[in-house]
Amino acid sequence: GIQVEQSPPDLILQEGANSTLRCNFSDSVNNLQWFHQNPWGQLINLFYIPSGTKQNGRLSATTVATERYSLLYISSSQTTDSGVYFCAVAQKLVFGQGTRLTINP
Amino acid sequence: DAGITQSPRHKVTETGTPVTLRCHQTENHRYMYWYRQDPGHGLRLIHYSYGVKDTDKGEVSDGYSVSRSKTEDFLLTLESATSSQTSVYFCAISLSGPNSPLHFGNGTRLTVT
Repeated sequence: GIQVEQSPPDLILQEGANSTLRCNFSDSVNNLQWFHQNPWGQLINLFYIPSGTKQNGRLSATTVATERYSLLYISSSQTTDSGVYFCAVAQKLVFGQGTRLTINP
Repeated sequence: DAGITQSPRHKVTETGTPVTLRCHQTENHRYMYWYRQDPGHGLRLIHYSYGVKDTDKGEVSDGYSVSRSKTEDFLLTLESATSSQTSVYFCAISLSGPNSPLHFGNGTRLTVT
């Protein structure tokens, strides 16, 4: 089956910093989604982005399907951005292992 | 809030007992999914449904069954709970299948002793 790898596994930043999270996948896909799991365990859909670039406030995402990767950008980080970020790809939504982001005040 | 309610939110049960988890949606979405989340394994698909009485297996379906008799309800049953099924279970919905945004419920934490 399709393999999904996320990097880095852990990221610790100060408030106000910018970050880039990466999602690599092993096969061509027709859907790619990014999720944020907050410290209380809730999973929030951030982007549905099979290709191209989308922006939502301080967050943006880019998927280059032909090169099999997607990037999630977080600018001017806030403590509320802390949590685990997952990407999910493919027909049955295979999830990566996640990137744990910690934003310190 | 995507209108998804999971019940119960927490449950402790003994090995060998049957357990049923419920997912209820108010969005009239056709597709519903059950995932489990475990440390080191991320989220893994157990079963999914693409309509009333239409279900299919996911990656980790052994030991689980599902039923969907109404659009709004998707039930996950552990036929005989084992300690390896201790996990957090998430229900999700999507309007038109995997090629549409997926929205999750708040999860059920199940402990099998």
